[in-house]
Amino acid sequence: EAQVTQNPRYLITVTGKKLTVTCSQNMNHEYMSWYRQDPGLGLRQIYYSMNVEVTDKGDVPEGYKVSRKEKRNFPLILESPSPNQTSLYFCASSLFPQTGTTDTQYFGPGTRLTVL
Amino acid sequence: GQQLNQSPQSMFIQEGEDVSMNCTSSSIFNTWLWYKQDPGEGPVLLIALYKAGELTSNGRLTAQFGITRKDSFLNISASIPSDVGIYFCAGFNAGNNRKLIWGLGTSLAVNP
Repeated sequence: EAQVTQNPRYLITVTGKKLTVTCSQNMNHEYMSWYRQDPGLGLRQIYYSMNVEVTDKGDVPEGYKVSRKEKRNFPLILESPSPNQTSLYFCASSLFPQTGTTDTQYFGPGTRLTVL
Repeated sequence: GQQLNQSPQSMFIQEGEDVSMNCTSSSIFNTWLWYKQDPGEGPVLLIALYKAGELTSNGRLTAQFGITRKDSFLNISASIPSDVGIYFCAGFNAGNNRKLIWGLGTSLAVNP
């Protein structure tokens, strides 16, 4: 089954304690992305990657890191989490377009993070 | 970052009613997408539009790509309780590094 998986689904942590949220896709997609979703603010892109070893900042990258060592995995790293990073996080993947028509982003189920 | 103007922000309707929502942009897009997010889940693509003026249906859902390429509409006919969720529009321009621009969502509640 084609899917994007994220782990953990729920996480409560404390300020300053480094954490990693994993994301994996089994569709051989080139493009992967991380979003955070907050009430009233919709989906905001944190980082994206167009292929292995190629990453770039989205709209709200501060306080986050990512890596893309393999095509299928795109972990999100919070080196020193703060309470304002309490949010619902989504990983997404899609084919990198050859024709511009393959835009479908497949989303993971989300990770709800609380930073105390 | 850039965002789309999506309206209405929320809707509360009776089962069986039709629903309309729309998105507008200051920029031209060559793709419009409509997603639905069920409670506790990630967004799922409903309809993709690739040509100005295009009208596409998916069951009771119909979406249109505005002819100015700066807007899109989603209609849901004869709503049912499982239509509850948040509907997002997203626009895409091929020259924008694959970055989707998102609306803030329309929250739909359906009273059985």
